[in-house]
Amino acid sequence: QKEVEQNSGPLSVPEGAIASLNCTYSDRGSQSFFWYRQYSGKSPELIMFIYSNGDKEDGRFTAQLNKASQYVSLLIRDSQPSDSATYLCAGVDQGAQKLVFGQGTRLTINP
Amino acid sequence: DGGITQSPKYLFRKEGQNVTLSCEQNLNHDAMYWYRQDPGQGLRLIYYSQIVNDFQKGDIAEGYSVSREKKESFPLTVTSAQKNPTAFYLCASSFGTQGVQPQHFGDGTRLSIL
Repeated sequence: QKEVEQNSGPLSVPEGAIASLNCTYSDRGSQSFFWYRQYSGKSPELIMFIYSNGDKEDGRFTAQLNKASQYVSLLIRDSQPSDSATYLCAGVDQGAQKLVFGQGTRLTINP
Repeated sequence: DGGITQSPKYLFRKEGQNVTLSCEQNLNHDAMYWYRQDPGQGLRLIYYSQIVNDFQKGDIAEGYSVSREKKESFPLTVTSAQKNPTAFYLCASSFGTQGVQPQHFGDGTRLSIL
C-alpha cells in the first residue's frame, strides 16, 4: 500500500513567523505532489503543486521536493491568522493514476 | 461560472435505505473522483472514473456504487451494505488521462444516519 505520511499536529506558529509543514511518502515512483488547504467544515482547495526536485515559490508559499529522501514540504512565510487550517499533502500513484492523501496537518497561527 | 456542484449539502439516511449523492461539473474535465472524509482524517478514495462509461474501485469501494453515463456527471450511491456511512463526501475532477492532474473539489455532502 502506497502511503503519504504527515504529522497530524496541531502545529502552532506565531503570526508573522514561517510555518513549515512536512510530508513523507513511500512510493519512490511518485513524481508529483499537491498541497491542499482545508478550512474547518469546508472542502479542500489546491494551493501548490510540485513536479521537480527543488523549490517552487508562489507568493508566501514555497513547496520543496526531495525525491532522494522521499520528502516534500510546504513553507508559509509571514503567517497570517487566515492561514489557520488543515493542510493535506497528496502524492501521485502513477500505476493506478490516482492521488494518495496524507491525513493532514492542523495549523494554527496565533495573533 | 465553471465549477463542481455537489448536492444535497446535507443528507440523512434511514437504516436499510440507499441514497444517491449528485456530482456535476462544467469544467470539461475528463476524470472524476469520490472521496470520503471522517472527522480529523484525510481523504479516502471510493471510486474514480477517467472516461465516460468506465470507472475503477478506490481503496474503500465496498458498500458504494457509481455510474458515469455523461462526462459531466458522476453520481455516488451509498447502499444499505455500507454499515457506517456517516461522513463528509467529496467529489473532485481533473483534466486529462495522461498522468494525474491537479484535482478540484466540490463543496461536499454531509451524510448522517437517522
